[in-house]
Amino acid sequence: GAGVSQTPSNKVTEKGKYVELRCDPISGHTALYWYRQSLGQGPEFLIYFQGTGAADDSGLPNDRFFAVRPEGSVSTLKIQRTERGDSAVYLCASSLTGWGSLNEQFFGPGTRLTVL
Amino acid sequence: AQKITQTQPGMFVQEKEAVTLDCTYDTSDPSYGLFWYKQPSSGEMIFLIYQGSYDQQNATEGRYSLNFQKARKSANLVISASQLGDSAMYFCAMRELSGGYNKLIFGAGTRLAVHP
Repeated sequence: GAGVSQTPSNKVTEKGKYVELRCDPISGHTALYWYRQSLGQGPEFLIYFQGTGAADDSGLPNDRFFAVRPEGSVSTLKIQRTERGDSAVYLCASSLTGWGSLNEQFFGPGTRLTVL
Repeated sequence: AQKITQTQPGMFVQEKEAVTLDCTYDTSDPSYGLFWYKQPSSGEMIFLIYQGSYDQQNATEGRYSLNFQKARKSANLVISASQLGDSAMYFCAMRELSGGYNKLIFGAGTRLAVHP
């Protein structure tokens, strides 16, 4: 079946602009995660949704970052007043449930955001 | 505080030989899971293997095995019979299982190059 998809694959924007990044999880997966991967680093957790609600948003760096998942499926990560330091690959992952020990997270291909 | 350390920025191995990628972790949670992911140049994170903190035996998945030493807080990945397609970034990650946390904490990664 289809995996996690993310759009756009690449986004170039100017400092100060607003951007939206979209994630389509695997059908039926109730848990959805956003991570950010800066160059040469491992992914860094941003936010986790269980259904429509954000169960853990402790990784959002500041109030310029916001994410929604209104119908419990597609999620949008929104970044206001972008800064050059926001440049990174934004990864989305989904898992069947939010529980259990393995709870394998399936990752999408990521959106590469470049802020000029 | 939860932390993953991968001390090898890069590793080289000859095709068909075995290689060990190091990972140490720190957590105060007695219940946790350890993961290894592969990230080829395409950017997608591919799940390889999982070890639960209470699992009695080391995990194995095909050519991948996890050398889990709980007392030393290490979870090294062993790849046997390396193939050219194994060249990629490898990330060790941990998820604490108590308290309903679902985020993965990643290390900085190890870049593996397989030579013919």
